[in-house]
Amino acid sequence: AQSVTQLDSQVPVFEEAPVELRCNYSSSVSVYLFWYVQYPNQGLQLLLKYLSGSTLVESINGFEAEFNKSQTSFHLRKPSVHISDTAEYFCAVRGPGSGNTGKLIFGQGTTLQVKP
Amino acid sequence: NAGVTQTPKFRVLKTGQSMTLLCAQDMNHEYMYWYRQDPGMGLRLIHYSVGEGTTAKGEVPDGYNVSRLKKQNFLLGLESAAPSQTSVYFCASNLGVQNTEAFFGQGTRLTVV
Repeated sequence: AQSVTQLDSQVPVFEEAPVELRCNYSSSVSVYLFWYVQYPNQGLQLLLKYLSGSTLVESINGFEAEFNKSQTSFHLRKPSVHISDTAEYFCAVRGPGSGNTGKLIFGQGTTLQVKP
Repeated sequence: NAGVTQTPKFRVLKTGQSMTLLCAQDMNHEYMYWYRQDPGMGLRLIHYSVGEGTTAKGEVPDGYNVSRLKKQNFLLGLESAAPSQTSVYFCASNLGVQNTEAFFGQGTRLTVV
């Protein structure tokens, strides 16, 4: 069965420092990859997605993620974080096993805590 | 445009009680999903639907039932609540086309005592 592993459950970082949230998935075939963000007491919002094409994808608020097929990874990065980036981040995959159902497999989540 | 709306937002149940969670979407999406979120486990799929009148089991379906009588609504039922069903429940919907994202509701926090 397909799985997603987020290697860090919590990532504390100081404001304006760079951050990387790691995500690995199990499938060796073509997949769609997503990062969702959940701010406190809110639902999930799509941050960015990889469907095809360029392996580097960017969000409007400065995050980027790189699809690495050989390492089956989709790590999320930001060169300089803000206090407002404090949230839980989920990596998710949708692959051939989902058929035409759109089912997502989620990682365990990573809590990003930005300190002043 | 409200997107995906879940009701209620909070609920406390006693063991053995029943309840229904309602999810409504106004985006004319074909696919709808119910997930539960537990600490350290991410989101796990309970049930899903690929169209009006159809439902299917997800990863953790036991103890839950669903219905999709109308395209815009997806109901999640707990017939006899158990403490293990204490969780945050999220509904999501998807247009149904291969490369589109899922939109999530704000969640329902359920506590079973």
